[in-house]
Amino acid sequence: DAKTTQPTSMDCAEGRAANLPCNHSTISGNEYVYWYRQIHSQGPQYIIHGLKNNETNEMASLIITEDRKSSTLILPHATLRDTAVYYCIVRGNSGGSNYKLTFGKGTLLTVNP
Amino acid sequence: GAGVSQSPSNKVTEKGKDVELRCDPISGHTALYWYRQSLGQGLEFLIYFQGNSAPDKSGLPSDRFSAERTGGSVSTLTIQRTQQEDSAVYLCASSSTSGRTDTQYFGPGTRLTVL
Repeated sequence: DAKTTQPTSMDCAEGRAANLPCNHSTISGNEYVYWYRQIHSQGPQYIIHGLKNNETNEMASLIITEDRKSSTLILPHATLRDTAVYYCIVRGNSGGSNYKLTFGKGTLLTVNP
Repeated sequence: GAGVSQSPSNKVTEKGKDVELRCDPISGHTALYWYRQSLGQGLEFLIYFQGNSAPDKSGLPSDRFSAERTGGSVSTLTIQRTQQEDSAVYLCASSSTSGRTDTQYFGPGTRLTVL
């Protein structure tokens, strides 16, 4: 799987949009971008994933650049409960051994009141 | 719908004892995974079950670790003769492989402490 690079930490004011960047310059054509988050002492929570088109669900939006070398996770109205470590992962689709998820260091997002 | 559930949420045991950790996957999910996460560390893959296929046990750290999945649903991870280095959060995930991607959904984990 391609390697990702994320900032170590970010701060965001409550109610504002949180924009979390991720670089994945070595991504290959069949690899998806996944985002998970992990709130302290809880299991990882799936947020969203995409291949090349922008995606939106009830939790967040995912913006993937045209060259697919980077992406941004957007939490449109951050709340204090969004404080967590956010992981950007690049992995192939089902098949082979792509099921072995590995998380890097991620970005610690702190939402401040 | 109901997510992945794990029990117990916390387990404290003495060195040398055996422990069993349980995972109930999301109903209908054919794939089940076990990971562990040590303090401040990333995910460590342990084992993968997919339907009736032979499990991928390549991540199990020693022969003290074993897992089974009965009836294609509930899974139990067993650690025999626990050691202090086994202390970690043990995470279970499940996925449906009917689509092009197999998004893994995690349970809350079992925090194991070996004294």
